[in-house]
Amino acid sequence: QVQLVQSGAEVKKPGASVKVSCKASGYIFTTYGITWVRQAPGQGLEWMGWISVHNGNTKYAEKVQGRVTMTTDTSTSTAFMELRSLRSDDTAVYYCARDLYDTGIFDFWGQGTLVTVSS
Amino acid sequence: EIVMTQSPATLSGSPGEGATLSCRASQSISSNLAWYQQSPGQAPRLLIHSASTRANGVPARFSGSGSGTEFTLTISSLQSEDFAIYYCQQYNTWPALTFGGGTKVEIK
Repeated sequence: QVQLVQSGAEVKKPGASVKVSCKASGYIFTTYGITWVRQAPGQGLEWMGWISVHNGNTKYAEKVQGRVTMTTDTSTSTAFMELRSLRSDDTAVYYCARDLYDTGIFDFWGQGTLVTVSS
Repeated sequence: EIVMTQSPATLSGSPGEGATLSCRASQSISSNLAWYQQSPGQAPRLLIHSASTRANGVPARFSGSGSGTEFTLTISSLQSEDFAIYYCQQYNTWPALTFGGGTKVEIK
């Protein structure tokens, strides 16, 4: 069965970086893109960006452009999202999700990773 | 950026009752709309894509309709597990996309 398993919770200081991983199983990793979505406490869903696992193409939201890098390691079927220069308003649960045939439809999601930014 | 507006913010209903949730796009998105359900402490779950196509395993009591700028998610008979937050999402501008602010369905 399809699964996306994310790395554990992180606590970071302002200005630091965080790298969240998302390990996929149960399907051919290179067939689907991976999107990252975050959710601040008590808030809605915010799209952060997308990566094509097939060719590495990326598209990032304007809000995090310049601070975020999304990558994949096809040898381990793992996607990564690195966010730099962390601020308190980056505190959120970060989700990876499989992009169904690169359409923008997210049919499977990771369990989420809480990133807390606090001094 | 396409803005997605959901209404109402909160909907109160009793088990067995129907519920109708609305989503409006700031410009036409054809039928490129998905609905997700998020229960407390859980990741979102895909319910509907292409405005009206149920995802695998989604009960028939969930149905979606609409095109262009106006969309509706209908739950024909609320079950206990349906009390959650529902988000609409447009993917007409994929890979850039936007979510609505959510509708919380709570027990009356």
